[in-house]
Amino acid sequence: KAGVTQTPRYLIKTRGQQVTLSCSPISGHRSVSWYQQTPGQGLQFLFEYFSETQRNKGNFPGRFSGRQFSNSRSEMNVSTLELGDSALYLCASSPRGGLYEQYFGPGTRLTVT
Amino acid sequence: AQSVAQPEDQVNVAEGNPLTVKCTYSVSGNPYLFWYVQYPNRGLQFLLKYITGDNLVKGSYGFEAEFNKSQTSFHLKKPSALVSDSALYFCAVRPPASGTYKYIFGTGTRLKVLA
Repeated sequence: KAGVTQTPRYLIKTRGQQVTLSCSPISGHRSVSWYQQTPGQGLQFLFEYFSETQRNKGNFPGRFSGRQFSNSRSEMNVSTLELGDSALYLCASSPRGGLYEQYFGPGTRLTVT
Repeated sequence: AQSVAQPEDQVNVAEGNPLTVKCTYSVSGNPYLFWYVQYPNRGLQFLLKYITGDNLVKGSYGFEAEFNKSQTSFHLKKPSALVSDSALYFCAVRPPASGTYKYIFGTGTRLKVLA
């Protein structure tokens, strides 16, 4: 089976712009979660989608949003980018979440200048 | 508040020696516990998990972890470290089924295995 793929792998944006990141989960996986990874904060949970519904949301401002499509592919959007949004954004999929382990993509490295 | 602690930012160990990476958690009930490893410029890879049953869990690449309920710990261990084990290790907790599917990750421990 193909692994979790994320596009693009690298992105450079300017403050105030918006960005959309994409994630394709492993075939058959219906749960997709997004994380922000920074050196100082570790992995911070953004949100989780299951069957096109957001099941959980982390403590991030409303500028961060996401969605999941009927084929389980997911996108996350960040509007009005700030310098502090520079991070590695990781997507993870699992069959259903819960007691199942997560399979992570390689991440999208976002740099905001 | 629910949390996961990895008290050591970095662990250094000589090749061939046993290694331990520590993890403690503060979650009510019986959580699901996970260990992941991250190599440079890569996403996280699953190593092992504890759901229920035997307190000693065996995982990938010769790693194992011991669940200790009284000490709320889930330390990662390996009997003989390899240089290739050098990476960033994350402990994660998924609180018991309560309608939430949020995973809580520790801040990570960098393991350096010295030749």
